[in-house]
Amino acid sequence: QVQLVQSGAEVKKPGASVKVSCTASGYTFTSHWMHWVRQAPGQGLEWMGIINPSGGSTGYAQKFQGRVTLTRDTSTRTVYMELSSLGSEDTAVYYCARDNSDSTPVWWFDPWGQGTLITVSS
Amino acid sequence: SSELTQDPAVSAALGQTVRITCQGDSLRNYYTSWYQQKPGQAPLLVIYGKNNRPSGIPDRFSGSSSGNTASLTITGAQAADEADYYCNSRDSSGNHWVFGGGTKLTVL
Repeated sequence: QVQLVQSGAEVKKPGASVKVSCTASGYTFTSHWMHWVRQAPGQGLEWMGIINPSGGSTGYAQKFQGRVTLTRDTSTRTVYMELSSLGSEDTAVYYCARDNSDSTPVWWFDPWGQGTLITVSS
Repeated sequence: SSELTQDPAVSAALGQTVRITCQGDSLRNYYTSWYQQKPGQAPLLVIYGKNNRPSGIPDRFSGSSSGNTASLTITGAQAADEADYYCNSRDSSGNHWVFGGGTKLTVL
């Protein structure tokens, strides 16, 4: 079955960077773009960006421009989200989610990874 | 602030029909997808496009859209439906995606 498995929780100090991985299985890795979404404690979902595993092209939410970098490794079917200059406001669960679309056009996120908790604390 | 607006909370009696709405200018041009999230879990896709349900989603979930408003309807709400619900679509530029602020559904 289609599955996304993310790396484990991390604790980071303010000003540091974090890199979260998302490994895909059960489908052709290069056929679907991948989104990253985060959720701060008690808050809603926030879209961060998207990467095309085929060519590596990316798109980022304006809020994260210059601070987030999405990359991929096709040999391991893994996409990465790196966030720099961490502050306490970056404490959140980070999710990867596969992009799907049809000719309507409509887009949907399915499936989602299990989430990775990143805690930023001194 | 989100480009998609949802009511923060709605409640429904067990077995009642409940509608959760999502408003935004971009919805005039793009379809919506809806996600259910229970505490401690990743979001789960429940409706996408005009009114498409993924495999495994009960048929009491349905979607509709008119103008700048998309709606998720649960016909005969169950206790298991108590969760946060988020809408998602392209933003007004069409280049990125955006989520609504979420609606907490309480089934009484």
